[in-house]
Amino acid sequence: NAGVTQTPKFRILKIGQSMTLQCTQDMNHNYMYWYRQDPGMGLKLIYYSVGAGITDKGEVPNGYNVSRSTTEDFPLRLELAAPSQTSVYFCASGYEEQFFGPGTRLTVL
Amino acid sequence: GENVEQHPSTLSVQEGDSAVIKCTYSDSASNYFPWYKQELGKRPQLIIDIRSNVGEKKDQRIAVTLNKTAKHFSLHITETQPEDSAVYFCATNTGGFKTIFGAGTRLFVKA
Repeated sequence: NAGVTQTPKFRILKIGQSMTLQCTQDMNHNYMYWYRQDPGMGLKLIYYSVGAGITDKGEVPNGYNVSRSTTEDFPLRLELAAPSQTSVYFCASGYEEQFFGPGTRLTVL
Repeated sequence: GENVEQHPSTLSVQEGDSAVIKCTYSDSASNYFPWYKQELGKRPQLIIDIRSNVGEKKDQRIAVTLNKTAKHFSLHITETQPEDSAVYFCATNTGGFKTIFGAGTRLFVKA
């Protein structure tokens, strides 16, 4: 099992650009999550999904969108990137115990 | 709303000493209490967890205690080693998908 995988590992965006962060899990989990972690800080929930076709906002959803067309995939879309979105983004899956992906380090300049 | 407070935010110990990190929570319906370790530049990973029907759980050098009446739980690391240096997050879960994380404790183990 690969667990939770994320692409890309690193990305630099210019202000106003858009991108999609990819997340895939092979553990057949219904529950998936996107977090952001600013330097030296904790985890903030952006969006979560309880199953294919069902998504909901977390603590900090502004500037992001998600979709969940399959159990395995949960992409996060950034529209009109802003410097405040510079962060490390973690995808996770699981019901109680959460399994995290390796993260995407995003810089917006 | 639901809240998890974690203390201290930074902890520095000498190698071989013990380290204790404490968390308090507000939602009395919480029944699952995991602890995650995040090494520098890595992803958080579960190191130990405890359920509400258990007061203490131990796994080699790490242990977790839970006091449901007082709504607090603690992580204990004995005989600390340099590889224990990391950020530790406590969390609570009410038996569903929603996990509330603490703000994290940065542990430094000095050799």
